[in-house]
Amino acid sequence: AQSVTQLDSQVPVFEEAPVELRCNYSSSVSVYLFWYVQYPNQGLQLLLKYLSGSTLVKGINGFEAEFNKSQTSFHLRKPSVHISDTAEYFCAVSDAGANNLFFGTGTRLTVIP
Amino acid sequence: DADVTQTPRNRITKTGKRIMLECSQTKGHDRMYWYRQDPGLGLRLIYYSFDVKDINKGEISDGYSVSRQAQAKFSLSLESAIPNQTALYFCATSESPNLMEPQHFGDGTRLSIL
Repeated sequence: AQSVTQLDSQVPVFEEAPVELRCNYSSSVSVYLFWYVQYPNQGLQLLLKYLSGSTLVKGINGFEAEFNKSQTSFHLRKPSVHISDTAEYFCAVSDAGANNLFFGTGTRLTVIP
Repeated sequence: DADVTQTPRNRITKTGKRIMLECSQTKGHDRMYWYRQDPGLGLRLIYYSFDVKDINKGEISDGYSVSRQAQAKFSLSLESAIPNQTALYFCATSESPNLMEPQHFGDGTRLSIL
């Protein structure tokens, strides 16, 4: 079964600085990859997803992620963060064609004024 | 109005009680999911349903049951609640016909079992 690793449980960053949230997964077979964001007291929202094609995926709120098959990674980036980006971010991976989806343990992004 | 509505939002109850968490959606999606979220563990899938006649166990279905009363309604039951079922529970829906990713989440039900 897949496993998803988000090594950084907390990431503090100053406002307008760039940020990268890391995600690695275990299997190198064909996968679908997702990033979700969870604001306080809310459910998750889908930020972006990679299914096939270009390895650079753009999502909502200025976020983007790059699929790297050789490194089994799908890191999330934003060039300049805002206070409103403070939230918890979850990476998730699904084996292509399978009825499964595995979530990472989450990274709490705190943007400091 | 929210697209995915969960009731109740908070519940405190005692060990051994039967509890039902309800979820209704206005998205018109066939696929619905129940997840639990625990600190440091992310989300884990309890049950999912691809349509009214289809119910499937997820990763951690033991101790839980579900009912898909209609396309719009998907309920989660704890027949005899135990303290380690204390968690944040989320219902979600998806319109994707071939993928497992939930797209629309409710705001969650915080359940505490004493």
